[in-house]
Amino acid sequence: KAGVTQTPRYLIKTRGQQVTLSCSPISGHRSVSWYQQTPGQGLQFLFEYFSETQRNKGNFPGRFSGRQFSNSRSEMNVSTLELGDSALYLCASSPAGTGDYGYTFGSGTRLTVV
Amino acid sequence: GENVEQHPSTLSVQEGDSAVIKCTYSDSASNYFPWYKQELGKRPQLIIDIRSNVGEKKDQRIAVTLNKTAKHFSLHITETQPEDSAVYFCAASIRGSARQLTFGSGTQLTVLP
Repeated sequence: KAGVTQTPRYLIKTRGQQVTLSCSPISGHRSVSWYQQTPGQGLQFLFEYFSETQRNKGNFPGRFSGRQFSNSRSEMNVSTLELGDSALYLCASSPAGTGDYGYTFGSGTRLTVV
Repeated sequence: GENVEQHPSTLSVQEGDSAVIKCTYSDSASNYFPWYKQELGKRPQLIIDIRSNVGEKKDQRIAVTLNKTAKHFSLHITETQPEDSAVYFCAASIRGSARQLTFGSGTQLTVLP
C-alpha cells in the first residue's frame, strides 16, 4: 500500500513568488492535514480538508491556502513568499473524517525562500 | 486554544537505560494523545497513542501514561537501544472534532552505546 506522497521534495523560491505543494494521501484516506515544521516553531497546524471541504484552519495568514480534490489529493499554496516561510511542509492523511486515528505523514516538501 | 509543553528538550541515556519524556496540556477537552518519532531527515511516525479513558498503554518497550487531573502525559521507553535515538513529539487533540493536533516542541533523545 503506497504511503502519503508529497511533491516536490525540495523547492527553492525567491521572495515574492508563489508556490504550490502537492499531497496524495493513502488510498481510501479522505482527511488530509497540512503542517509547517520549523526549528523555531516546531510543528504547527495549517489546515485540514475532508471531502473537498476545509474544516479547520490554523493561525496562519491568508497567504497560505489549500484545496482538496474529489480523489482526496490536496494542494497547498503560499503566495507572496517571505523568508520566514522557509520550512518543511508536511502533509498527513487519515482514514476517518473525525476521531483519533493516527495520522500518516508524508516525507514533506522542504521549501527554501531566498 | 490548546497549548502543549514538552520536557526535556534534550535527553541522553546509556544504552539499556530507561528514558522518560513528559508533556502537559492546557485544554481539559483534549482527549487523544499521540506520540511521534522523527528520525533525522525522515517523516514523523506514530509510535503509540492513548485516549483519555485509559490511564496507561504499553507496546513492547514503549509505554504512555496519562493523568487527566493533572493534565499531563508521559512516554516511557525501557531498555533503550541506539536506534531509539530520534526526536520525539507529543501531541494533543479533541476526538470527534476536525482533526487538529497541537504538538509539543520535541525532545531530542540520544542513546549512547
